Amino acid sequence: LAKTTQPISMDSYEGQEVNITCSHNNIATNDYITWYQQFPSQGPRFIIQGYKTKVTNEVASLFIPADRKSSTLSLPRVSLSDTAVYYCLVGAPAAGKSTFGDGTTLTVKP
Amino acid sequence: DTAVSQTPKYLVTQMGNDKSIKCEQNLGHDTMYWYKQDSKKFLKIMFSYNNKELIINETVPNRFSPKSPDKAHLNLHINSLELGDSAVYFCASSLAAGGTGELFFGEGSRLTVL
Repeated sequence: LAKTTQPISMDSYEGQEVNITCSHNNIATNDYITWYQQFPSQGPRFIIQGYKTKVTNEVASLFIPADRKSSTLSLPRVSLSDTAVYYCLVGAPAAGKSTFGDGTTLTVKP
Repeated sequence: DTAVSQTPKYLVTQMGNDKSIKCEQNLGHDTMYWYKQDSKKFLKIMFSYNNKELIINETVPNRFSPKSPDKAHLNLHINSLELGDSAVYFCASSLAAGGTGELFFGEGSRLTVL
């Protein structure tokens, strides 16, 4: 199983771009990288998933370098409501081959 | 309609008791999971079922027993509760086994063992 490492916490201000990086040095060939967002007293919620290069959706972008040993979640122009814990997940959960990172607590300040 | 629902949301009980948490999903998914989130917010998978069959059983004490009466339900029964069992337990589901599919989580069941 890929071991994942994320920063414990990050602070930002409203309107800034935030980049959260996850390291996964022993990622397997078939592993995907998925990011989840969790608000207090709620379950984690899917944000974005990718395999390589760049993926963008309406809320975030995911950058994955060619060696796939890390990935960066990019949140453009954060607002106070983006304050949450962000987890990277590497692998395939349903196959029993996945690891959640320890989570990054993002605090957005006014 | 809630996609993945768990009951109860809160559970406070004494050491040594037995308790159950129920989970239901109305997404038509084939695979369901139980995750444990500790006080440090670490998420660890406990069990996974695909079409009522156990496919993942992580290193979890055998006091924890999952039961899936049908593919829309996955319940968790815990015997002889210990202080260290205090955590938030999340049920989740995904479309199919073996895939990289998105996990849909319930809102969690906070278990406090006194």
